[in-house]
Amino acid sequence: KNQVEQSPQSLIILEGKNCTLQCNYTVSPFSNLRWYKQDTGRGPVSLTIMTFSENTKSNGRYTATLDADTKQSSLHITASQLSDSASYICVVSDRGSTLGRLYFGRGTQLTVWP
Amino acid sequence: EADIYQTPRYLVIGTGKKITLECSQTMGHDKMYWYQQDPGMELHLIHYSYGVNSTEKGDLSSESTVSRIRTEHFPLTLESARPSHTSQYLCASSESGGQGSSSYEQYFGPGTRLTVT
Repeated sequence: KNQVEQSPQSLIILEGKNCTLQCNYTVSPFSNLRWYKQDTGRGPVSLTIMTFSENTKSNGRYTATLDADTKQSSLHITASQLSDSASYICVVSDRGSTLGRLYFGRGTQLTVWP
Repeated sequence: EADIYQTPRYLVIGTGKKITLECSQTMGHDKMYWYQQDPGMELHLIHYSYGVNSTEKGDLSSESTVSRIRTEHFPLTLESARPSHTSQYLCASSESGGQGSSSYEQYFGPGTRLTVT
């Protein structure tokens, strides 16, 4: 069964600290993995997209890693800011159908305290 | 910032009413999608469209219907709202190439928070 599991479910950190969010997936055949940031009451916004051949991709203070062998990804946030408080969603797509299904994780709810 | 819009942003309506959630994009994207998301849960695809006059049901069964008469417009309609329809509805669009194509980003609207009393 194609699934995307994220951990932790929620995380609280102090402003300026770093944190790492985890994503494990069982989606096959794999096409790409995306990390989205979703602010409360808003739609998700893409942070990174990685294909099978990419193992690291950065977007400012966000760095995503991908290990396609172990089917794991992480999102590292450096020098956190209050505006980083949001839900971070891992999304994996397959290439086994014309549509290219997207499988969504439930997200990690990050709260940054001053 | 993505040019995809949803109205209304919030809607509280009584049981049995007919409602239409609007979604428009100005990026000329062929593919459009509707997702349903409950608090703390993952997004579920309920409808998608490859282009004008093309609509398909997604993975999650939904009593809603959609239409695609114009490229930029993809409204979702509930003929008779029920409390079980209370949820957040997110519209998205992407260029042609498939929902999972790594070359084509999927852009989301801000969502409509629907409450049926």
